[in-house]
Amino acid sequence: AQTVTQSQPEMSVQEAETVTLSCTYDTSESDYYLFWYKQPPSRQMILVIRQEAYKQQNATENRFSVNFQKAAKSFSLKISDSQLGDAAMYFCAYWFQGGSEKLVFGKGTKLTVNP
Amino acid sequence: NAGVMQNPRHLVRRRGQEARLRCSPMKGHSHVYWYRQLPEEGLKFMVYLQKENIIDESGMPKERFSAEFPKEGPSILRIQQVVRGDSAAYFCASSPMAGGNTEAFFGQGTRLTVV
Repeated sequence: AQTVTQSQPEMSVQEAETVTLSCTYDTSESDYYLFWYKQPPSRQMILVIRQEAYKQQNATENRFSVNFQKAAKSFSLKISDSQLGDAAMYFCAYWFQGGSEKLVFGKGTKLTVNP
Repeated sequence: NAGVMQNPRHLVRRRGQEARLRCSPMKGHSHVYWYRQLPEEGLKFMVYLQKENIIDESGMPKERFSAEFPKEGPSILRIQQVVRGDSAAYFCASSPMAGGNTEAFFGQGTRLTVV
């Protein structure tokens, strides 16, 4: 079964600095999708970044980038130039396609940004 | 184009009552997913529906829970005879097609409290 593990329940970063959130996953598939979602206190789930497993190049979206290590099944999120508005829960997710279509989420990392 | 609309945002039910949670997908989206989030946890898949069809309900408890997505109108998640353990945030997501290469957009969730 596909599982997603986020080993850091909480992280903190100083404003303007860089932080990396870790995620590992387990799958026997060769082609899949990985996501990072942000959940601020409003509870709205917001897509931060998406990675397609068949693409070697790491995805980037402005200040957000990933380090995708397919062999190690690792998918970390780097936030550069952290801003106060980045404070939120961050969830790593795997798109499962075997007979259905669904996201499998990790338990999340709570990110605090200190001014 | 309005986003995914869920209502109500907050719902309080006494033990034994029924809870009905509604989800209106984004315009043009025919795929709907329901997830449940317990406190301090990530989202857990419950059910995946397309118009008038349940595709995968493997994450939904066999008893008391049901879901539908009729030809006309919103998707409904129904919980009969609620118990304290049903207290959680319930999220709906929609997408225009299946597959991880398309973004699933989330609603703001319904927080169900069973007293």
